[in-house]
Amino acid sequence: DTEVTQTPKHLVMGMTNKKSLKCEQHMGHRAMYWYKQKAKKPPELMFVYSYEKLSINESVPSRFSPECPNSSLLNLHLHALQPEDSALYLCASSQLTTGNTIYFGEGSWLTVV
Amino acid sequence: RKEVEQDPGPFNVPEGATVAFNCTYSNSASQSFFWYRQDCRKEPKLLMSVYSSGNEDGRFTAQLNRASQYISLLIRDSKLSDSATYLCVVGYSSASKIIFGSGTRLSIRP
Repeated sequence: DTEVTQTPKHLVMGMTNKKSLKCEQHMGHRAMYWYKQKAKKPPELMFVYSYEKLSINESVPSRFSPECPNSSLLNLHLHALQPEDSALYLCASSQLTTGNTIYFGEGSWLTVV
Repeated sequence: RKEVEQDPGPFNVPEGATVAFNCTYSNSASQSFFWYRQDCRKEPKLLMSVYSSGNEDGRFTAQLNRASQYISLLIRDSKLSDSATYLCVVGYSSASKIIFGSGTRLSIRP
């Protein structure tokens, strides 16, 4: 069982909606990540937070807005998404950003209609 | 050239066979290496870390060759439950990034 919890597991939203994906971990990890995964493709890194500060943004469109309210929580705010944004969104955490195992949540399946 | 490259497969082998995957990485500054397993419609899960000295966990053996910049995974006596996609993962400390290879699909047949 994963110790990284993501909600919701499934989300269907229209292109004009605003929604958020949430992620929580209680392993004391200080690095948290958002990945996007399309079918039959590997996870693609979107954002990295290290000690609650955004350390990496992989040129993600501004319609995706991450937020790290505290060391245990990571949100991804979604606004004006496109159908091609439909994917599995994976949250992950690790002790530090380097050299340590990354633990993934079960993911949020997002469909944009 | 991709930063981390894997043979996408699929590998289709009989139960009990030995199968090996390779993965190459382009950045010599890479510092951490892992194999993850991902089942269909599930999240990736750590299979094993990969160390310079090589490491073994039951039927699984991982090797790292820094000079040639490749990582390997060997599965012996394969089981039906080994069917999955195997992802090679490389970490770069200078950029605090973790990069996934494209994954190798393995299917074990009875």
